[in-house]
Amino acid sequence: GEDVEQSLFLSVREGDSSVINCTYTDSSSTYLYWYKQEPGAGLQLLTYIFSNMDMKQDQRLTVLLNKKDKHLSLRIADTQTGDSAIYFCAERDRGSTLGRLYFGRGTQLTVWP
Amino acid sequence: KAGVTQTPRYLIKTRGQQVTLSCSPISGHRSVSWYQQTPGQGLQFLFEYFSETQRNKGNFPGRFSGRQFSNSRSEMNVSTLELGDSALYLCASSLDLGVGRGAAGELFFGEGSRLTVL
Repeated sequence: GEDVEQSLFLSVREGDSSVINCTYTDSSSTYLYWYKQEPGAGLQLLTYIFSNMDMKQDQRLTVLLNKKDKHLSLRIADTQTGDSAIYFCAERDRGSTLGRLYFGRGTQLTVWP
Repeated sequence: KAGVTQTPRYLIKTRGQQVTLSCSPISGHRSVSWYQQTPGQGLQFLFEYFSETQRNKGNFPGRFSGRQFSNSRSEMNVSTLELGDSALYLCASSLDLGVGRGAAGELFFGEGSRLTVL
């Protein structure tokens, strides 16, 4: 559960949809998470998905999981300037304790007005 | 309900000194984890405590240590500081109902303690 990859940057216009992608290598991943980090702040949990699910929707957020390709995505509908932040994908593998997550390097989302 | 509280928020130390960081978890949470965040290495797991016992540890040297008290508050200590220890140290708490592994176990993070080593 150590290799989680994300693209580093994404820019979108306000009102458009944003899609942030993540790939992971551990086939024993159980839960996958999306966190948001604003400047000078800690990590805010946005949503998570269990590995036997394909999709989860929560208001403007949609998480898609392709377990075969080990690909996770976060779609933010109607992106606002307040969504500008770094987004981290994280996974927990089957053998790990609750507190141990493996994080990607984060995707810096910039939203232009 | 108060979130995870970390103190101090900012501190500056010099090489060779030691530092102690404190974390108060969300009320009722018994699991506390620590992470180091740097631009070069990203987020790296340090250790995890549950009921005053360390139950998982990352790949950090022995200069990094921690402990948890009976009220679930946790401290981490870094001795003989090096320049490379400059980082944001994040604490996270989780409501662990004793199942340990296999649960969703959402982690809630504090704002972090930003350590600068000169």
